[in-house]
Amino acid sequence: DTGVSQDPRHKITKRGQNVTFRCDPISEHNRLYWYRQTLGQGPEFLTYFQNEAQLEKSRLLSDRFSAERPKGSFSTLEIQRTEQGDSAMYLCASSSGTGSAYEQYFGPGTRLTVT
Amino acid sequence: AQSVTQPDIHITVSEGASLELRCNYSYGATPYLFWYVQSPGQGLQLLLKYFSGDTLVQGIKGFEAEFKRSQSSFNLRKPSVHWSDAAEYFCAVFYYGGATNKLIFGTGTLLAVQP
Repeated sequence: DTGVSQDPRHKITKRGQNVTFRCDPISEHNRLYWYRQTLGQGPEFLTYFQNEAQLEKSRLLSDRFSAERPKGSFSTLEIQRTEQGDSAMYLCASSSGTGSAYEQYFGPGTRLTVT
Repeated sequence: AQSVTQPDIHITVSEGASLELRCNYSYGATPYLFWYVQSPGQGLQLLLKYFSGDTLVQGIKGFEAEFKRSQSSFNLRKPSVHWSDAAEYFCAVFYYGGATNKLIFGTGTLLAVQP
């Protein structure tokens, strides 16, 4: 079990550019989540996948944000036309579909800075 | 509405002293409750969880938490704090139902440990 991994760990971009983050969940986990955390706040839910199906999206996820999970494995989160307000830590988590399905295991996060 | 409140933004304790971090939740059904710890610039590590049964749950690193339904609380405790416990601590409730499946976090408590 190698845990949840995220790439890149840090991203600095200029306002208006597009960025894409990747998350690789724990291999046997079929549920994958994206959260956003700003300074001094707890993580806030963005979206949730069960296998390849995106089942829920938060209102925080504007039209500039899109997430995919092709083939129910890794996931990508893309932000188009970045704004300074997008600067945050983006966290990915995964959980299994059985047993302790409610336990979410988090990756190290991707720190986005928009200049 | 579902929510989690952590009343203490910042706590300082002396090494070797006992610790209690407060957490209150608002949730209509049986809650699934969690405590996570986050070191600077890192992802979240699961400390412990409550699903059902014994209201006093043990976690990693010597932490424990007690679920009190009458007080809607899930406070985290440790009898003797170590310098390595300095971090930010988040309480969370798992919100589920239909296609909804996510953690709702409090704003966190930042723990400082004095030598």
